[in-house]
Amino acid sequence: GAVVSQHPSRVICKSGTSVKIECRSLDFQATTMFWYRQFPKQSLMLMATSNEGSKATYEQGVEKDKFLINHASLTLSTLTVTSAHPEDSSFYICSARDLKGINTEAFFGQGTRLTVV
Amino acid sequence: AQSVTQLGSHVSVSEGALVLLRCNYSSSVPPYLFWYVQYPNQGLQLLLKYTTGATLVKGINGFEAEFKKSETSFHLTKPSAHMSDAAEYFCAVSDLGFGNEKLTFGTGTRLTIIP
Repeated sequence: GAVVSQHPSRVICKSGTSVKIECRSLDFQATTMFWYRQFPKQSLMLMATSNEGSKATYEQGVEKDKFLINHASLTLSTLTVTSAHPEDSSFYICSARDLKGINTEAFFGQGTRLTVV
Repeated sequence: AQSVTQLGSHVSVSEGALVLLRCNYSSSVPPYLFWYVQYPNQGLQLLLKYTTGATLVKGINGFEAEFKKSETSFHLTKPSAHMSDAAEYFCAVSDLGFGNEKLTFGTGTRLTIIP
C-alpha cells in the first residue's frame, strides 16, 4: 500500500513553545489529509480536514488558532501546535487519501507522541 | 452521532488459538465498518472493511469479521493466532461512505500472543 510518513515520531517541548508536525505522502498525491488526536486510553478523534490550497476544516471544539494546519502541496500537510500546554500532550496521527480514483482507502502515518513539560 | 465500543483494552491469546476482538457500534444510518491494525512504531493499516453486500468480510493476514446488524456488532476473528499478530487493533465506523475518512474509532484493543 501507499506510504504516509509523519515526522517527528516523538517530541518533547516546553510549555509555551510551538511544535510543528509534518505529514507526507511519499508515493502518491493527496488533496485531502486528516489530522487525528488520541488521548491516553481514549479513541482517535478527528481534529481537522486539511485541503491542499485552501483553509482547513476544523471539527467542533478544536481551536483553529491553536492548531494551525497548512497544506501547501499535494504531498505535505503540517500541523503546528502553538503555545503548547501540558494538556496538549497527546498522540497526533495523520491520514491521507490517494488523489486517483474514488472510494479509495486512507493511509495513516505512524503518529507523533507530543509531550509538553 | 456514531460511537464504537471495543470490549477489552487488552486481550491475550496463546499462539495457535482463536483470536476474537469485539466491536459494537451505534449509528443512525447503515454503517461502513473498518478494522485497522497498528504495529509498534508504525501507522494504522487497514485490515478489512464492510460497506455493503456480504456480511462476512475477509481481510489480510487471515483475519475476518462479520457484520451483524441485529447485534450491532463487527467482531474480528482469526482461527489461529501467530506471534506476528501482536499489535493494537482499532475498530472504526463511518456513515459517510468508504472514501470519506470522518471515522469514529474505538479505544483500541492491544493483542498479546503468548508463545
